[in-house]
Formats: sequence, structure tokens, C-alpha cells
Amino acid sequence: DQQVKQNSPSLSVQEGRISILNCDYTNSMFDYFLWYKKYPAEGPTFLISISSIKDKNEDGRFTVFLNKSAKHLSLHIVPSQPGDSAVYFCAASDVETSGSRLTFGEGTQLTVNP
Amino acid sequence: DVKVTQSSRYLVKRTGEKVFLECVQDMDHENMFWYRQDPGLGLRLIYFSYDVKMKEKGDIPEGYSVSREKKERFSLILESASTNQTSMYLCASRLWGGGRPTTTDTQYFGPGTRLTVL
Repeated sequence: DQQVKQNSPSLSVQEGRISILNCDYTNSMFDYFLWYKKYPAEGPTFLISISSIKDKNEDGRFTVFLNKSAKHLSLHIVPSQPGDSAVYFCAASDVETSGSRLTFGEGTQLTVNP
Repeated sequence: DVKVTQSSRYLVKRTGEKVFLECVQDMDHENMFWYRQDPGLGLRLIYFSYDVKMKEKGDIPEGYSVSREKKERFSLILESASTNQTSMYLCASRLWGGGRPTTTDTQYFGPGTRLTVL
């Protein structure tokens, strides 16, 4: 079963506008969430994370929101830039039982049009 | 900067061949991981290793084995390659801090190996 789901395979936005990428999870034991970005022909790189004790974490143009009751998180990119065009993976961690393992979603291809 | 390297960027093998994918990290990380990435399925964990000579199955270990004889090197082995193992293979490493991932203590990925099995 897919414990982390990204229901939108792709998203297209205009440069300068907001990009919102969504992620849902089913395992209530997950207590740490991460977003990775992946360009073609490169490995994923860590972007931003959030602990389950918070509902928001901000880093420059990137903000991650966590709604624990809905088991939902989102990544906001404002303003979006063409260089943000990449595949974004949501990942979740349950350190108590799974240690260093991450469970990834399917990914969302973001395209930012100039 | 953490560097994770994978032995090949592209590999083409025949069905039934034994295939070795090598991964090396240069930051003395304890944990290492092998994933495969397929369209619509995201990254799926094949095997991981918490330390030298230790290995644990991930979510899709069937058809694969691994070897970790040295801390910096983690090998993925396809004993008898099949066409359904055509995929992008990604290696990652992490310094095990004993707790939750942090901004600097997270998984670092190599560039990937695109394996095609004919």
C-alpha cells in the first residue's frame, strides 16, 4: 500500500506565481516529513523538512505546511521561478520504528513557464 | 560537501546476466540505501544498510541482494537480471545521528544509474 501519496503527477504554473504541491499520508506514526527536488539526470536533493510538532516551516521562497489531523502536507513556492522546474518528492519518516528509512511519494513534475 | 557516486550512469544488460551496481560515499556515513525510481511509483526502497556487513530488506527486495564490506561502499546485485528490473537505480547515504533527520543530517543521493535489461 502506498503510505505516502502525491495525487498530482504534474503541475504547471507561470513564473512569479505560487506553486502548491500536495502530499497525503496514511501512517499516523510518521513524525517527520521532507521534500526533495530532482532534476533530470541528477539524484534527488533535500529541500525542506518539517517535524510533526510544527505546522509550518519556512525557508526563503519555500514553505511547508503540515495538517496532522488531515494527514496532509503541502509545499508552497513563492514566487515560482523557471529554475524550480523539477520533480518534487514528498517523503516521511517514523524514527521510532523505522530509524533512518524514508517512505517516498510518487513525485510531482513541476513546470514553471517564463 | 557530501559526495555519493555511482559506478555507471547508463548500463545495458541482457536477461539472465548478473549485474553489479556500485555506490561509494566519501563522508563516513553509517547508513546507505538503494532505491529504484519508476514513473508513477516514485522512489521505492530495495535494501539498506545501517553499518558495515549489516543489511536489511526494504519494500521491494525480491530479485536483488546487497553487499557492504566497507563503510564507504554499498553494492546492489541483480543475480539474474530480468526485463522488469529496467529502471533508474538511486543510491543514498546518511550520517546516522540516532534521531530524526535534520537539515544537514538527511539522505544524500547519487546521480543514479539508468539500467536497461534487454
